[in-house]
Amino acid sequence: DAGVTQSPTHLIKTRGQQVTLRCSPKSGHDTVSWYQQALGQGPQFIFQYYEEEERQRGNFPDRFSGHQFPNYSSELNVNALLLGDSALYLCASSLGTVQETQYFGPGTRLLVL
Amino acid sequence: AQSVSQHNHHVILSEAASLELGCNYSYGGTVNLFWYVQYPGQHLQLLLKYFSGDPLVKGIKGFEAEFIKSKFSFNLRKPSVQWSDTAEYFCAVNTGNQFYFGTGTSLTVIP
Repeated sequence: DAGVTQSPTHLIKTRGQQVTLRCSPKSGHDTVSWYQQALGQGPQFIFQYYEEEERQRGNFPDRFSGHQFPNYSSELNVNALLLGDSALYLCASSLGTVQETQYFGPGTRLLVL
Repeated sequence: AQSVSQHNHHVILSEAASLELGCNYSYGGTVNLFWYVQYPGQHLQLLLKYFSGDPLVKGIKGFEAEFIKSKFSFNLRKPSVQWSDTAEYFCAVNTGNQFYFGTGTSLTVIP
């Protein structure tokens, strides 16, 4: 049973560029959440997708957008990259709309130069 | 705004010492509480969770945590730590459909 997978593992971009990160949830899970984890900090909630719609959103600007596909996989898009967007981006999957346990992927390390 | 506070940023213990990591949250409604662990080079893993019922919950690898509602706390404990417990520990609170994480506590266990 595959867990949560994310791609790519590492990415280097320059300021102003756009980036797309991908996540495949754990088998059987239908909810995907995205987090940003800066160095030395805890994960910060970006948004959560369920049934292909953004259900909840944290305190992140509109430059951060996402999408969930019918197979429950998800993408995180960040436009107009800033140096401060450099971080580990984590995807977590869970089941349903209740407060179920989230299972985290290994993350994508984004470096913005 | 809701927040999660982990008061211990860095903890260094010798093997067999007892561990207690503090976690406090600020949210007046119903919450679900979690402790996650991140071993060096690995991704976040669930250590234990509290949804309801007995406020003393047991997790993997001998860890336990106690939910004290009146103190808005969910402290993590282990009676005897091992070198392999060296990791980053995160407390997390789910208030509904949002998760809030603390900034983490780095635990180093000296053999």
